[in-house]
Amino acid sequence: DIQMTQSPSSLSASVGDRVTITCQASQDISNYLNWYQQKPGKAPKLLIYDASNLETGVPSRFSGSGSGTDFTFTISSLQPEDIATYYCQQYDNLPPYLLRFTFGGGTKVEIK
Amino acid sequence: EVQLVESGGGLVQPGGSLRLSCAASGFTFSSYEMNWVRQAPGKGLEWVSYISSSGSTIYYADSVKGRFTISRDNAKNSLYLQMNSLRAEDTAVYYCVREMVYWTFDPWGQGTLVTVSS
Repeated sequence: DIQMTQSPSSLSASVGDRVTITCQASQDISNYLNWYQQKPGKAPKLLIYDASNLETGVPSRFSGSGSGTDFTFTISSLQPEDIATYYCQQYDNLPPYLLRFTFGGGTKVEIK
Repeated sequence: EVQLVESGGGLVQPGGSLRLSCAASGFTFSSYEMNWVRQAPGKGLEWVSYISSSGSTIYYADSVKGRFTISRDNAKNSLYLQMNSLRAEDTAVYYCVREMVYWTFDPWGQGTLVTVSS
């Protein structure tokens, strides 16, 4: 099984701060890593796909990087509207699974 | 506008059954693979099931295999999840999601809450 370890589980930062979230895979997953934002009471929203590509319409303060087993999600300047929980998500088709999607445990971002 | 609207959630006793539906609009439903993802109260996201665009290929998470059945009706632009032998741990908001390139989920429906309790 490929395990996804996301950290930290929560963080508190000030408006304007740089925020970094990491996601570590237990095996090489190439670039098969996506990031989602979930605001309270809402459905998740895709922000970053294929590790580093910004989804259309998503502000440029959001970015992603990494490949293999170690990935990073960054908010360059935290805004009040960024209060949410962020999830990484990977895809694999390693035996015995022919298809499986796994999410990280989530990182809750709050304003200090 | 691309839209996914789930329905069919509710309160059910352990061991009971429920059928969730997802109505799709704003895109060519028959061209897309679809999935169900769930979220237990206060918890993270868990992928549940996948179905190919034609319905010929289906996968399940181990946690629901043998109890849940995913299906679709492309003529009705609808996705379904038949849930049998429900357990307390199946309590969650269930989201219908379209699968896009790079195995992303976009968009997500608003979700429907399933509560398994006596």
